[in-house]
Amino acid sequence: NAGVMQNPRHLVRRRGQEARLRCSPMKGHSHVYWYRQLPEEGLKFMVYLQKENIIDESGMPKERFSAEFPKEGPSILRIQQVVRGDSAAYFCASSPSRDENIQYFGAGTRLSVL
Amino acid sequence: QKEVEQNSGPLSVPEGAIASLNCTYSDRGSQSFFWYRQYSGKSPELIMSIYSNGDKEDGRFTAQLNKASQYVSLLIRDSQPSDSATYLCAVPHGSSNTGKLIFGQGTTLQVKP
Repeated sequence: NAGVMQNPRHLVRRRGQEARLRCSPMKGHSHVYWYRQLPEEGLKFMVYLQKENIIDESGMPKERFSAEFPKEGPSILRIQQVVRGDSAAYFCASSPSRDENIQYFGAGTRLSVL
Repeated sequence: QKEVEQNSGPLSVPEGAIASLNCTYSDRGSQSFFWYRQYSGKSPELIMSIYSNGDKEDGRFTAQLNKASQYVSLLIRDSQPSDSATYLCAVPHGSSNTGKLIFGQGTTLQVKP
């Protein structure tokens, strides 16, 4: 049973470019969560999605960040016009349901903005 | 007051000793609690979940929950150098279980051979 798959593992972008981070949940999991971990800081919730729905985006910056979880395919976290402050590790987690809220994490995407 | 608080450490223990990691939370309605381990440069790995007051044991790990004191701890018996990592306490946001986990800053554990 494959775990949560994230790609790419490392992503380098120049300021102003777009970053697309992908996450495929564990088999049988329909709930996806994105977290960000800035250097020397804790994990911060960004967004919680189910298939085709954003359930909670209270942790998403108001501008440049968006997320989706289409009916088919992985969840995507999109960062437009990246800035140096976006450099961080972005982790995706999945759970089978909201009630069974045990979240399993992917390996993460390390975003570096030059 | 932060929603989930941990002592950042580092907590240093000799090999074979018991490591005790502590976490307090502010939401009295919280119902579930999780401990994750994160090695440097790696992703968080779930090691324990606990839902009821008291102790829950899994191998060398014991989670302890005291809802009245809003306190959850993780004990690691017979600590090994491979246990050296950052331990994150996580609590779902709000009693309605919205899915959002609030993490503490993490406690760095160093096990000295």
